[in-house]
Amino acid sequence: QSVLTQPPSVSGAPGQRVTISCTGSRSNIGAFFDVHWYQQIPGKAPKLLIYGNNNRPSGVPDRFSGSKSGTSASLVITGLQAEDEADYYCQSYDSSLSSGAVFGGGTKLTVL
Amino acid sequence: QVQLQESGPGLVKPSETLSLTCTVSGGSISNHYWSWIRQPPGKGLEWIGYIFYSGSTNYNPSLKSRVTISVDTSKNQFSLKLTSVTAADTAVYYCARMDFWSGFYWGQGISVTVSS
Repeated sequence: QSVLTQPPSVSGAPGQRVTISCTGSRSNIGAFFDVHWYQQIPGKAPKLLIYGNNNRPSGVPDRFSGSKSGTSASLVITGLQAEDEADYYCQSYDSSLSSGAVFGGGTKLTVL
Repeated sequence: QVQLQESGPGLVKPSETLSLTCTVSGGSISNHYWSWIRQPPGKGLEWIGYIFYSGSTNYNPSLKSRVTISVDTSKNQFSLKLTSVTAADTAVYYCARMDFWSGFYWGQGISVTVSS
């Protein structure tokens, strides 16, 4: 059971918008810790997609955006493309783990 | 651009100790946190622990009794030891640079199977 809760799967047609939620608690997302998002293509290492709640590393398209509110965070992908089909993970830190890292269980995005 | 490369045996026998090393190139290991993360086949990501370059550590409570992470700044390397392994420890193991404000920067991962 993951500390952060994500939906197991989401789907959308090309060009559509999808949202992936990440729900935590007052000891992680609801504390002062930032939320980061990763994209993982099967067989590959995770790749940083969003850092610090809503910042994109260089090279990540602006179709990807993140937000945080209270004890939850969201990843929004607009203008869905076939290449976006992957697993997505949220990540934060937890004061009950002495600032240890925590992950969501992952969300499989299917592009229809 | 910093690069991380995991190395170690791909097969470990049950009850033995899993030992992996992460070599950091293109940047110094100093002034950063370094972490190990694993992913069992078909499952999600699990944080194992992290070490600051000075040697202070923090481990996942679920693995704490079996885990040791160490750092060798002279070699720009950090290492993972996991004792008394079982089949449940079979996973891809990733080393990563950790930053509280900018997330994890990952190595390519190494697959480790626990089997006799």
